[in-house]
Amino acid sequence: GESVGLHLPTLSVQEGDNSIINCAYSNSASDYFIWYKQESGKGPQFIIDIRSNMDKRQGQRVTVLLNKTVKHLSLQIAATQPGDSAVYFCAENIPFSGSARQLTFGSGTQLTVLP
Amino acid sequence: GAGVSQSPSNKVTEKGKDVELRCDPISGHTALYWYRQSLGQGLEFLIYFQGNSAPDKSGLPSDRFSAERTGGSVSTLTIQRTQQEDSAVYLCASSLVGSGAAVQPQHFGDGTRLSIL
Repeated sequence: GESVGLHLPTLSVQEGDNSIINCAYSNSASDYFIWYKQESGKGPQFIIDIRSNMDKRQGQRVTVLLNKTVKHLSLQIAATQPGDSAVYFCAENIPFSGSARQLTFGSGTQLTVLP
Repeated sequence: GAGVSQSPSNKVTEKGKDVELRCDPISGHTALYWYRQSLGQGLEFLIYFQGNSAPDKSGLPSDRFSAERTGGSVSTLTIQRTQQEDSAVYLCASSLVGSGAAVQPQHFGDGTRLSIL
């Protein structure tokens, strides 16, 4: 079946640098995407979402970019801090997929911020 | 509370016992989801509720797993005759239901860490 995937399972960045986490999706009909952050021992925390009629959305220190041509999604974190260390998941909605679950999750990328 | 609440936060039990996990969604959220997450893995969908009905049970791994939701709020996930492979973190999420086809973000609890001895 179709699935969301991530280019890199792990990413290490220096504190203060910018981080970019990538996600590839295979269903061109996907119309909604979410990024989640999961810290150890906690549930996934909503970071930012984007609908397919947009190609960029900004939040506080985070930006999500959507490239529908190549079916690619990225999360940019500005001035990465130690508290940003976590696993980051992308999720997509495939409309009219026959399932009511609505979101399909990728396998996650571990971001480690180095001092 | 303001977020999704799950209990217990940790559960250790012997193989063969039944366990019941509870989820209290965000007030006003009519959609409720259960997921399972094994160590270092992504989220495995189990079941979805819209109100009290479960339109999608496709993710339940076996007939030992069942879930119910009464009053359109609290949900319980029951695992009968637990096996060691059931050890995982069980996560619950809730969301609003968007108008038309608009999908709404799911908000997660911190999960129940289940260990089967």
